[in-house]
Amino acid sequence: RKEVEQDPGPFNVPEGATVAFNCTYSNSASQSFFWYRQDCRKEPKLLMSVYSSGNEDGRFTAQLNRASQYISLLIRDSKLSDSATYLCVVSSGSARQLTFGSGTQLTVLP
Amino acid sequence: GAGVSQTPSNKVTEKGKYVELRCDPISGHTALYWYRQSLGQGPEFLIYFQGTGAADDSGLPNDRFFAVRPEGSVSTLKIQRTERGDSAVYLCASSLSISYPDNEQFFGPGTRLTVL
Repeated sequence: RKEVEQDPGPFNVPEGATVAFNCTYSNSASQSFFWYRQDCRKEPKLLMSVYSSGNEDGRFTAQLNRASQYISLLIRDSKLSDSATYLCVVSSGSARQLTFGSGTQLTVLP
Repeated sequence: GAGVSQTPSNKVTEKGKYVELRCDPISGHTALYWYRQSLGQGPEFLIYFQGTGAADDSGLPNDRFFAVRPEGSVSTLKIQRTERGDSAVYLCASSLSISYPDNEQFFGPGTRLTVL
């Protein structure tokens, strides 16, 4: 079983739609949680960190459920420029490295 | 300012050859990480340096892989006797430190390695 699991998609949605991505992780010692965005043939870039209380950044909302070991990302009012692969990422306290899911591909259609 | 840079951007080699991949981290960043990304997968951790020393090399797949960071800045990932399965994008990242809130990792554009 992979340490971080995501639905690979692809998700094809019209502009303006709301889309949600889910992710589960298996290491209960994980302490830090992130969503990264990766455009085609580009490097991953941090989209947002995820906190237990949930956090919002404009059209993006991230939630963490430690009991269920579940992370989500909600994108409201999708834009064409949101088309990318979204990577769910965890890190444990002792290990500095990031553990990535395989990514969920999103295409926003005009 | 300048981000993480990696050279070469593309490398094509033959099975059995030796390759070196270079990473220039963001100036002043003490931590440097190497990851490998295969098609359709997320990046997988290989090794990370804190300063000059390899703090964790648990992700290196076997002893054909080795990395150095002799002066605590530039790092080189070395792969001996390359195999076709080594073909991937090799990503380097750096962070100001390993402690929150300065531990955000910034990635370079990667080196696309193809082993024929």
